Amino acid sequence: DIQMTQSPSTLSASVGDRVTITCRASQSISRWLAWYQQKPGKAPKFLIYKASSLESGVPSRFSGSGSGTEFTLTISSLQPDDFATYYCLQYSTYPLTFGGGTKVEIK
Amino acid sequence: EVQLVESGGGLVQPGGSLRLSCAASGFTFSSYWMFWVRQAPGKGLEWVANINQDGSAKNYVESVKGRFTISRDNAKNSVFLQMNSLRAEDTAVYYCARYYDNSGPIDYWGQGNLVTVSS
Repeated sequence: DIQMTQSPSTLSASVGDRVTITCRASQSISRWLAWYQQKPGKAPKFLIYKASSLESGVPSRFSGSGSGTEFTLTISSLQPDDFATYYCLQYSTYPLTFGGGTKVEIK
Repeated sequence: EVQLVESGGGLVQPGGSLRLSCAASGFTFSSYWMFWVRQAPGKGLEWVANINQDGSAKNYVESVKGRFTISRDNAKNSVFLQMNSLRAEDTAVYYCARYYDNSGPIDYWGQGNLVTVSS
């Protein structure tokens, strides 16, 4: 199985900060990586697919990059609505596997 | 508007069975792979099972193989998860989800349905 390792597990930041979350795959997944945002008690929200393609309606402050085994999600200027937990998902190979999550907290 | 509404969760004893249902609307259901993903309390997300458009292809995470069965009824725009021989570690919120196109990834999620396995 492909292991997805996210870092950091928790991140404390302020409104307006630039935030970067990393996701590493245990083997190459090309660009078959997605990012999701989840708030407490809610379903995940789809943000990015194919590593860097922004889903329709997602603010442009979100961006993704990477290929192979290393990927990043960047929020260029953190907004109050962005405090949440973020997950990466590899959909290159079964079983599909998620990263452990990164909780973005208010500093 | 795409909507996925799960039902059928609840409290069940270890070794028991439960059937989750997911009613879909707002899109051509028969054109999409459908997924079940779960999240144990306070934990991360775990893919459980998926099924292709006509039900001829199914995949399961190793931990549920032989115990869970995914199925669908395209006439009723519904997908199901039959869960047998339930264990405490199956306790989780179960999400029904749609797979975007044929190459993915998951784009829409239901609201989630809690399954608690406890005596």
